[in-house]
Amino acid sequence: GNSVTQMEGPVTLSEEAFLTINCTYTATGYPSLFWYVQYPGEGLQLLLKATKADDKGSNKGFEATYRKETTSFHLEKGSVQVSDSAVYFCALRGSGGYNKLIFGAGTRLAVHP
Amino acid sequence: GAVVSQHPSRVICKSGTSVKIECRSLDFQATTMFWYRQFPKQSLMLMATSNEGSKATYEQGVEKDKFLINHASLTLSTLTVTSAHPEDSSFYICSATGEGTDTQYFGPGTRLTVL
Repeated sequence: GNSVTQMEGPVTLSEEAFLTINCTYTATGYPSLFWYVQYPGEGLQLLLKATKADDKGSNKGFEATYRKETTSFHLEKGSVQVSDSAVYFCALRGSGGYNKLIFGAGTRLAVHP
Repeated sequence: GAVVSQHPSRVICKSGTSVKIECRSLDFQATTMFWYRQFPKQSLMLMATSNEGSKATYEQGVEKDKFLINHASLTLSTLTVTSAHPEDSSFYICSATGEGTDTQYFGPGTRLTVL
């Protein structure tokens, strides 16, 4: 079945450091891929998405490229801020059926001044 | 943007009682709503999917008689945890999609504590 694996956290960085959160997936067909962010005490927000191979999703300085050859969708940001501290979830939606999302376990990011 | 609200944001109840959680789409018509459960420091697990006016589709292992879902209108879905027990304590999150979009918009979640 479909699954998502993302790197375990927590990830602790200093402000302005480079961020990478790894995400790999297993799926049949051509899934859509997503990154969601959950700030403390809030619900999930869609951060970015990519719907086909080689697509790059980007938002708020974050980027992720849909790599079919490596079945990956790693999240990157060149310079993190304290306000980026949150839990980040990688997710996929299969190419068939309805809008069911499969989530990774989440990676907690803590950015210190 | 699309906004989804949940009520209450947190609830504490005694074991054996039932608790109802509401999920509302505030500025769009939600043709499909999803209910998730999130354990501490873990991912979201889909419990069920509901389409307006239809019975919910439950994921494997989720007791439909314990977690009653009603999607009576295009802006409201409810999850009722019946005869709650301490092991039902969790963070319950809903999401919704509208006509013509496949993006899920998430509510802020409801923290349930069963004593």
